[in-house]
Amino acid sequence: KQEVTQIPAALSVPEGENLVLNCSFTDSAIYNLQWFRQDPGKGLTSLLLIQSSQREQTSGRLNASLDKSSGRSTLYIAASQPGDSATYLCAVRNSNDYKLSFGAGTTVTVRA
Amino acid sequence: EAGVAQSPRYKIIEKRQSVAFWCNPISGHATLYWYQQILGQGPKLLIQFQNNGVVDDSQLPKDRFSAERLKGVDSTLKIQPAKLEDSAVYLCASSLDQGDTQYFGPGTRLTVL
Repeated sequence: KQEVTQIPAALSVPEGENLVLNCSFTDSAIYNLQWFRQDPGKGLTSLLLIQSSQREQTSGRLNASLDKSSGRSTLYIAASQPGDSATYLCAVRNSNDYKLSFGAGTTVTVRA
Repeated sequence: EAGVAQSPRYKIIEKRQSVAFWCNPISGHATLYWYQQILGQGPKLLIQFQNNGVVDDSQLPKDRFSAERLKGVDSTLKIQPAKLEDSAVYLCASSLDQGDTQYFGPGTRLTVL
């Protein structure tokens, strides 16, 4: 069974600092990995999707890396802003059954 | 393009009552998912539909939860009777096909008293 862990559970940084969010997974037989953002009381918004054959994806200030063999992904957010405050969830899709397994998320607070 | 729609947004019921949630996926999306997200946890898949057929319902508590997607478009999730531990956000998502990016609705927050 795929287990997804996100560390830390919560993070507070001053505006302008770079954010580093970690995700680890136990089964390396993945189809893809996705990072989501969730604002309080809202659904999930997809930020980046990395296919198993890729090593990274970039979108604006966001960059996500994937090391499938070691079971790790990292989401980098450059020059954080108060609007980046949210919970960030990592989700891994298994290659055998396409099931999506989520981590518990990292709650980020960016202080103005 | 309209996103995934869910209703109601909030629901408060007493234990042993029944409740139903509705989801309308993005037009043309064949795959529809229902997730349960308990506070402080990531979403857990309850059931996955491919068109109007069930692909995976292994984590659906079938003694009290049921779901249907009769015409392969919108879907309903029902809980009967509700328990305190069912308090959670119920998220609906859809994707073009299995393995494609999932798009999530805003969720329904259920509180069972």
